Amino acid sequence: EDQVTQSPEALRLQEGESSSLNCSYTVSGLRGLFWYRQDPGKGPEFLFTLYSAGEEKEKERLKATLTKKESFLHITAPKPEDSATYLCAVWSGGSYIPTFGRGTSLIVHP
Amino acid sequence: GAVVSQHPSWVICKSGTSVKIECRSLDFQATTMFWYRQFPKQSLMLMATSNEGSKATYEQGVEKDKFLINHASLTLSTLTVTSAHPEDSSFYICSARDENRGSGANVLTFGAGSRLTVL
Repeated sequence: EDQVTQSPEALRLQEGESSSLNCSYTVSGLRGLFWYRQDPGKGPEFLFTLYSAGEEKEKERLKATLTKKESFLHITAPKPEDSATYLCAVWSGGSYIPTFGRGTSLIVHP
Repeated sequence: GAVVSQHPSWVICKSGTSVKIECRSLDFQATTMFWYRQFPKQSLMLMATSNEGSKATYEQGVEKDKFLINHASLTLSTLTVTSAHPEDSSFYICSARDENRGSGANVLTFGAGSRLTVL
């Protein structure tokens, strides 16, 4: 059974204070790892897909990296508008239904 | 990009009544849609997979008679919470995969969610 663990559960940063969110996973045959952003009371919004170890993707202040055991979402010089819950999900094996982690709630203070 | 519309965004109902939530893929066709439930500070819990033209596939522990799913067209799936009770109060989110992007992508596009409150 696929398992996804995200840490920390919650993170508070000052504006401009860079940090990283972690997503550890256990799967049999990773086909893809997804990062989503979810604002309060909204559905998740797709950010990135990573397919293989060593891959990196960037979008504005966000950069996602992938190893064989975990993924990091690096946030550089965050702004208050980056405050949200960030969800990680893995897709493996013969199923196309991803398994989601519990998310990291990020709050960026001005 | 792919857009999924979900309606209503919030609904309040009395205990014992039924509530229907709609999920539409606006600019793509989806033979499969997914219904999730999310509790506060929890992750997404997959309830069922909605299949166009056939019966939905429910996850273990989800009551199919309580949560009726219909996927009558390639762009519309509905979730009906029957005889709702306060414990059914939750945030329900649908999603769909834009199959035109190819199975290699497998990116789910989510609706904005529906907040159900049962009094």
